Amino acid sequence: AQTVTQSQPEMSVQEAETVTLSCTYDTSESDYYLFWYKQPPSRQMILVIRQEAYKQQNATENRFSVNFQKAAKSFSLKISDSQLGDAAMYFCAYAVDSNYQLIWGAGTKLIIKP
Amino acid sequence: GAGVSQTPSNKVTEKGKYVELRCDPISGHTALYWYRQSLGQGPEFLIYFQGTGAADDSGLPNDRFFAVRPEGSVSTLKIQRTERGDSAVYLCASSSRANTGELFFGEGSRLTVL
Repeated sequence: AQTVTQSQPEMSVQEAETVTLSCTYDTSESDYYLFWYKQPPSRQMILVIRQEAYKQQNATENRFSVNFQKAAKSFSLKISDSQLGDAAMYFCAYAVDSNYQLIWGAGTKLIIKP
Repeated sequence: GAGVSQTPSNKVTEKGKYVELRCDPISGHTALYWYRQSLGQGPEFLIYFQGTGAADDSGLPNDRFFAVRPEGSVSTLKIQRTERGDSAVYLCASSSRANTGELFFGEGSRLTVL
């Protein structure tokens, strides 16, 4: 069975600094998709970044980038120049096929210190 | 509307009662998902609709849970004989096949069973 593990229940970072959130997953599939979602107190999940497993190049979206290590089944999120608005729960998620039934990690609470 | 709309935002009910949770997806999105998120955990898949039909209902926990999408747009999640363990945030998301998998989430319905 596919699983997603986020080993950091909580992380904190000083405003303007860089922070990395960890995610590992377990799968026997070769083609799949990985996602990082952000969930602020409003509860609405917002897509931060996505990665297709067949692409070797790490995805980037402005201040957000991933370190995708397929052999190690690792998918970490790096947030550069952290801003107060980045404070939220961050969830790593995995999907194996075109119906995008996501399998989620337990989340990491990110605290930004002003 | 511009985004996924879920009603009610909060619902408090007594054990044994029947509840309905509504999801209005983004116009034109053919795929619709229901997830359940318990406190301190990542979301858990419940059911996926493609158009009017339930393409995958393997996540529904038991026969007290049922969901419909009669016209391929609005969906209703129905819970009979509610139990205290049903207390959670119920998230709805929609997706267009054309946008390769990004799910757009609503703000969820928080269900509390007393």
